[in-house]
Amino acid sequence: AQKITQTQPGMFVQEKEAVTLDCTYDTSDQSYGLFWYKQPSSGEMIFLIYQGSYDEQNATEGRYSLNFQKARKSANLVISASQLGDSAMYFCAMREDNYGQNFVFGPGTRLSVLP
Amino acid sequence: DTGVSQNPRHKITKRGQNVTFRCDPISEHNRLYWYRQTLGQGPEFLTYFQNEAQLEKSRLLSDRFSAERPKGSFSTLEIQRTEQGDSAMYLCASKRQAFTDTQYFGPGTRLTVL
Repeated sequence: AQKITQTQPGMFVQEKEAVTLDCTYDTSDQSYGLFWYKQPSSGEMIFLIYQGSYDEQNATEGRYSLNFQKARKSANLVISASQLGDSAMYFCAMREDNYGQNFVFGPGTRLSVLP
Repeated sequence: DTGVSQNPRHKITKRGQNVTFRCDPISEHNRLYWYRQTLGQGPEFLTYFQNEAQLEKSRLLSDRFSAERPKGSFSTLEIQRTEQGDSAMYLCASKRQAFTDTQYFGPGTRLTVL
């Protein structure tokens, strides 16, 4: 069963607008972590933001924020004030279990920022 | 630069040849992970090390794949008797041991098997 679902294969956003990339996950663990990574065309995976399952507040990192709804098992990424350089693949990932070796990625969403 | 490094960045080989990739993690990171990423997909976990110990290798794709981290620093991933289906990006990541810590990825090695 797929553990990370990203239902938007592709998204378009106008420069300077905000965009939300969806991510839902499936786990029976109480302790887990959720991540978002950006992968530009160069191929390198760039860490953006982390949310722990016990964190009470939504994570924020600059223009990135994570809309964490635990009961719905969703962890959507919000990018504010989109820039042309934000055009890339975005992957949602989950780390479950206390040993941290089970790290699962979603299929990704390709974001295109339009001038 | 103290990030994760991988060599080579690109490798083209003929079917049936063996290839070896190297990953140098961030120096204070004792956990090291290997992933494979095929076109249009997210990374797929292959194996991981804590220091020199390989703690998970059941997800390696076949017995043609093996990985080592002999001194707990750099790691190598070897693919023997390559097949065209092995063509992919191979990513390495490292992190500290703490559960809450983030994995940081290297630039990857793109393998093309002709």
